[in-house]
Amino acid sequence: GEDVEQSLFLSVREGDSSVINCTYTDSSSTYLYWYKQEPGAGLQLLTYIFSNMDMKQDQRLTVLLNKKDKHLSLRIADTQTGDSAIYFCAEREDDKLIFGTGTRLQVFP
Amino acid sequence: EAGVVQSPRYKIIEKKQPVAFWCNPISGHNTLYWYLQNLGQGPELLIRYENEEAVDDSQLPKDRFSAERLKGVDSTLKIQPAELGDSAVYLCASSRRQGNTGELFFGEGSRLTVL
Repeated sequence: GEDVEQSLFLSVREGDSSVINCTYTDSSSTYLYWYKQEPGAGLQLLTYIFSNMDMKQDQRLTVLLNKKDKHLSLRIADTQTGDSAIYFCAEREDDKLIFGTGTRLQVFP
Repeated sequence: EAGVVQSPRYKIIEKKQPVAFWCNPISGHNTLYWYLQNLGQGPELLIRYENEEAVDDSQLPKDRFSAERLKGVDSTLKIQPAELGDSAVYLCASSRRQGNTGELFFGEGSRLTVL
């Protein structure tokens, strides 16, 4: 199967920007996604990007896609304590999503 | 619109006992997924349904796991008998089949602890 890789932890100060990185392997993926999971909850879709785009901005979120390197990143501007959670990137393969292992974001005051 | 509903939220059983999880997808969503999420890991697909047909069950351990989606709406995932290694969160998700960007909508999950 395809592997989606992420770093495990990221710690940032409140008000700073956070950048979460992801590498994927399926070059034919049409869409790539970022999901957020808070403790004890399911996954919530944050944003997605179509594979023919390089960048997508949605309020505090910026997604960058480098198809050549199969690298996806999520930038959160002005990170708040409420952003503390686990963030998963996912690629679409056929009609299912393949998820990374998740990056735990901790925001400290 | 109501989200994906799962029950029970938590279940504690002894090994070798059976357990069942139930999922009600978002109305109008043809595709239903069961994912397994182990502690500290991302979700992994167990089975995918298109309406009432299981179209991808290659990762479902069929010796002890079974699933059904009668009438193409609600779904049940069963484990019999449960083993210690089955302790995890079982996530249900749904999506529209046509004309969409493929995002999945997840329920809150059913957390299973096998003692």
